[in-house]
Amino acid sequence: GENVEQHPSTLSVQEGDSAVIKCTYSDSASNYFPWYKQELGKGPQLIIDIRSNVGEKKDQRIAVTLNKTAKHFSLHITETQPEDSAVYFCAASPSDRGSTLGRLYFGRGTQLTVWP
Amino acid sequence: NAGVTQTPKFRVLKTGQSMTLLCAQDMNHEYMYWYRQDPGMGLRLIHYSVGEGTTAKGEVPDGYNVSRLKKQNFLLGLESAAPSQTSVYFCASSYLLGSSYNEQFFGPGTRLTVL
Repeated sequence: GENVEQHPSTLSVQEGDSAVIKCTYSDSASNYFPWYKQELGKGPQLIIDIRSNVGEKKDQRIAVTLNKTAKHFSLHITETQPEDSAVYFCAASPSDRGSTLGRLYFGRGTQLTVWP
Repeated sequence: NAGVTQTPKFRVLKTGQSMTLLCAQDMNHEYMYWYRQDPGMGLRLIHYSVGEGTTAKGEVPDGYNVSRLKKQNFLLGLESAAPSQTSVYFCASSYLLGSSYNEQFFGPGTRLTVL
């Protein structure tokens, strides 16, 4: 099955700085890569996603890049704010129509702390 | 819309006791999932369902059973709880896939402690 590695496990930045979280995946059949944000005491929530036919996607202060050849994708947060502090998860989803259809394979998460 | 709801929010069990976690969604989603979240381990899939009356095993299914008798509900059962099942449990749901796009909507979680 798919294996998603995520780094770093913890990340501390000063407010206003940028934060980058990186993930790698193993299954070349994966073609959908979402990022989820989990605030304390809540369930994860989708913040941005990218599909394999796109190399980069931006939404205000967040952006995701994808390198299918190298099988890695990254989340970039610019001008960080204290409310960006949370756990961030990357995930990958295979496109085949077998037993893995519909499943997301998650990385282990990154605890981001933004200091004011 | 309430989205995905989970009952209960907290529970403490003794080893060997049984319980059922209930997940409900009002978005008419075909796919539903149960995950457990442990520190440093991310989200691990326990069981999932691709439609009413169907279930399938995920990465860590041992010690759990599930049922999807109604499209909007997905139940997770622990027949004989063990301390290793102490975790936070999340339910999620998603649309039937016409492509690979698969946003999952998560519930607020159930914190389970097994003594």
